[in-house]
Amino acid sequence: EPEVTQTPSHQVTQMGQEVILRCVPISNHLYFYWYRQILGQKVEFLVSFYNNEISEKSEIFDDQFSVERPDGSNFTLKIRSTKLEDSAMYFCASRGTSVWGSYEQYFGPGTRLTVT
Amino acid sequence: EDKVVQSPLSLVVHEGDTVTLNCSYEVTNFRSLLWYKQEKKAPTFLFMLTSSGIEKKSGRLSSILDKKELFSILNITATQTGDSAVYLCAVNHGANNLFFGTGTRLTVIP
Repeated sequence: EPEVTQTPSHQVTQMGQEVILRCVPISNHLYFYWYRQILGQKVEFLVSFYNNEISEKSEIFDDQFSVERPDGSNFTLKIRSTKLEDSAMYFCASRGTSVWGSYEQYFGPGTRLTVT
Repeated sequence: EDKVVQSPLSLVVHEGDTVTLNCSYEVTNFRSLLWYKQEKKAPTFLFMLTSSGIEKKSGRLSSILDKKELFSILNITATQTGDSAVYLCAVNHGANNLFFGTGTRLTVIP
């Protein structure tokens, strides 16, 4: 069964460093997302991406964040200068084209980012 | 402000019990409500509901949506220890993303 994959599973970085989190969405999906979940808190939307551009972003997704689809399979989230409060589990999700109201997103296993 | 509220926050039951998890919402431009199961890591998709009164079933799990009263329930019958997880309710609210509740932590003890 097709699934979303993410690498690495765990990333430890020092404050101020840049990190790139990688995702391979399900192959025929066209909509891609990043969410994060701070330990003990709810899953929060960061950004959505369609047709090679950002379609929506939340207040969390400030100038320190960027996304890219560098080739036909990968989808990346870059944090330019990490802060302690960026420590969280980052989930990638994808969905295919579907009829109105059908937003069945499939999530990857997540990357746990720890900023020290 | 959009809200998704799940209750209870946590629940401990014995194997074989039936549980009902609740999700109420207040969002603009409601499109669909989704249930996910989160064990160790990734939320795993369970159901998507768009219409009131139509029950979705998958094995021992079922869910229904009430768009008039703005809530959904997730039922699990004959619970097993493998059902232990956090159950997440999320709403697609017209924007191209999901708005999540805080989840209900279900623990099933043998």
